[in-house]
Amino acid sequence: ETGVTQSPTHLIKTRGQQVTLRCSSQSGHNTVSWYQQALGQGPQFIFQYYREEENGRGNFPPRFSGLQFPNYSSELNVNALELDDSALYLCASSLNLAGGPDEQFFGPGTRLTVL
Amino acid sequence: GDSVTQMEGPVTLSEEAFLTINCTYTATGYPSLFWYVQYPGEGLQLLLKATKADDKGSNKGFEATYRKETTSFHLEKGSVQVSDSAVYFCALLYNNNDMRFGAGTRLTVKP
Repeated sequence: ETGVTQSPTHLIKTRGQQVTLRCSSQSGHNTVSWYQQALGQGPQFIFQYYREEENGRGNFPPRFSGLQFPNYSSELNVNALELDDSALYLCASSLNLAGGPDEQFFGPGTRLTVL
Repeated sequence: GDSVTQMEGPVTLSEEAFLTINCTYTATGYPSLFWYVQYPGEGLQLLLKATKADDKGSNKGFEATYRKETTSFHLEKGSVQVSDSAVYFCALLYNNNDMRFGAGTRLTVKP
């Protein structure tokens, strides 16, 4: 069973640029959630995708957007990067059944540095 | 809104010492509660969970009980090892999709 994978591992961008982060969900999972973890803090929920549609969003501006593909993999896009976007971005996959969501399994994260 | 508050670290213990990391929650209902662990350079791993009041989650010697009366979910382990050194996060599941984490508690166990 393959776990959650993310790419790239590290990324350096400059202010104003755009970035795309990728996530492959664990085999059999149909839901992907994205989190931002600033240094020394707990992860903050960005949004969740289920059946290729956004299924909940945290307190993040519209320049944070996402996609989920038919194979349940996902992308996180951030436009007009700001210095405060520097963080570890975590992807988590889970299986969402009729009875409600199951445990979220996290990937190793992508470390984004904005200069 | 729904949230968790956990004790600030860092916590430094000697091997075989007893561990308690406090976590309290604020919620309008009865959310599922979780403890996650993050080892250096890695993502989060689920340590244990409890889905309703009085449930006890346990794994690898760690335990936590969902206490509705004190709105708490404290993490305990009777005898810590050096390999338990990591950052521990308390979390609750809000709205079935939004996992809300505490700030994390860094544990260092010395031999």
